[in-house]
Amino acid sequence: AQSVTQLDSHVSVSEGTPVLLRCNYSSSYSPSLFWYVQHPNKGLQLLLKYTSAATLVKGINGFEAEFKKSETSFHLTKPSAHMSDAAEYFCVVSEVKIIFGKGTRLHILP
Amino acid sequence: NAGVTQTPKFQVLKTGQSMTLQCAQDMNHEYMSWYRQDPGMGLRLIHYSVGAGITDQGEVPNGYNVSRSTTEDFPLRLLSAAPSQTSVYFCASSRGGTGHSYEQYFGPGTRLTVT
Repeated sequence: AQSVTQLDSHVSVSEGTPVLLRCNYSSSYSPSLFWYVQHPNKGLQLLLKYTSAATLVKGINGFEAEFKKSETSFHLTKPSAHMSDAAEYFCVVSEVKIIFGKGTRLHILP
Repeated sequence: NAGVTQTPKFQVLKTGQSMTLQCAQDMNHEYMSWYRQDPGMGLRLIHYSVGAGITDQGEVPNGYNVSRSTTEDFPLRLLSAAPSQTSVYFCASSRGGTGHSYEQYFGPGTRLTVT
């Protein structure tokens, strides 16, 4: 069955330190995977997507994600957090249906 | 391009009332979908459509109906509103649907309160 699990509901990091948001998925086939971001009281914006062309995917605003089939993971990282990164992040799997994870709220400490 | 538009932006209903949330896109996208967003639950798929005349159920379809008579429009109908349907509703569209790596474009959302 198709599913997606975001392992942390909240993550707090200090400005300038690395960000890691974790996502595991379950899929019977080769899924498409996405990360979306939602800033407070705003709509959803695509950060990056996995298309099977490369396992390391670069997105906007310095974010990247690595597809690891053996671990069924698609974790989102950024080398250095900025205050403007404070938002909610969603991991999404597209296979039979398009399913969202429950989200991870990223807090940036000054 | 206006992208994906939704109306209304805010709505208050009484229990038992019915209403239609409107969604339109001007990008000639085949795939359209409706989600509801509740705190701590992420976005849950209500219904989706892979093209005009074709609709299917998502994760939480009960209490909602959809139709897709044109490529552009994908209205969501609440048949008899319940307090459990208080939520923020997002419509989305993309060039392709499930299994494709196409980006979804989201509307601004409709905040619905059922009293």
